[in-house]
Amino acid sequence: SYELTQPPSVSVSPGQTASITCSGDKLGDRYACWYQQKPGQSPVLVIFQDNKRPSGIPERFSGSNSGNTATLTISGTQTMDEADYYCQAWDSSTAVFGGGTKLTVL
Amino acid sequence: EVQLLESGGGLVQTGGSLRLSCAASGFTFRSYAMSWVRQAPGKGLEWVSGVSGSGGSTLYADSVKGRFTISRDNSKNTLYLQTNSLRADDTAVYYCATEGLSSRPFEQWGQGTLVTVSS
Repeated sequence: SYELTQPPSVSVSPGQTASITCSGDKLGDRYACWYQQKPGQSPVLVIFQDNKRPSGIPERFSGSNSGNTATLTISGTQTMDEADYYCQAWDSSTAVFGGGTKLTVL
Repeated sequence: EVQLLESGGGLVQTGGSLRLSCAASGFTFRSYAMSWVRQAPGKGLEWVSGVSGSGGSTLYADSVKGRFTISRDNSKNTLYLQTNSLRADDTAVYYCATEGLSSRPFEQWGQGTLVTVSS
C-alpha cells in the first residue's frame, strides 16, 4: 500500500520560514494536499493541488511537489500557525494521509 | 456557509454496530462526493470511506471493508456510515468531509463524532 512519510516534529522561530516535507514514491506524479489541525479542532485544508490556496488561507502558506517529496512552506511563521500538519494524496481509489508533523513556534 | 454536522457516535461494545450521520447544508449536496475520515485518540488522520455524488460509487479502506457501509440520501442532504462488527481499534473521532473537484481535496470538514468501542 502507498505510504506518505512526514517528520514527527518541526520547530521554527516566529517570523522565520518553516518547511514541512512529505515523502512518497513518485509523489510528484500525484497531487498533494495539506491540512492544518489545531488541538481540539477539525482539520482545515491549507493547500490543494500541490500549490493552490483555498479562499481565506493566508499567502504565507505555499506548497510544492516534485520527485518523491511535497513540501509545505510557511513564510513569516506566526504563533497562530502552531498546529499539526498532514499531507494527503490519492493512490488510485484510496486516500492516503501522512503521519502528521507537529509544528512548534518558539 | 457550508455546514456539516455529524451525529450517532457513542459507546458500543466490541462486535456492536452504530450508524453515523452527517447532515449537510449550505451547498448543493448531490454535486459533491463525500468521505468519512477518522482519527484515533492522539493519532493521525485515516481515510475510511468515500461515496460519489449520486451514491452509485463507493470506496473503502482495507481496514473497514466488509464491516462498514457508506451511503447517502440526497433528498435529505445526509451522509451515513453504517459501522458493524466494531473493534477496539475503530475507536476514533469520525469526520465527514466534502471532496473537491479535480484533485479531490477534502475541502470542508464537520466537527466530528466520537465512537468508543469497549469490551
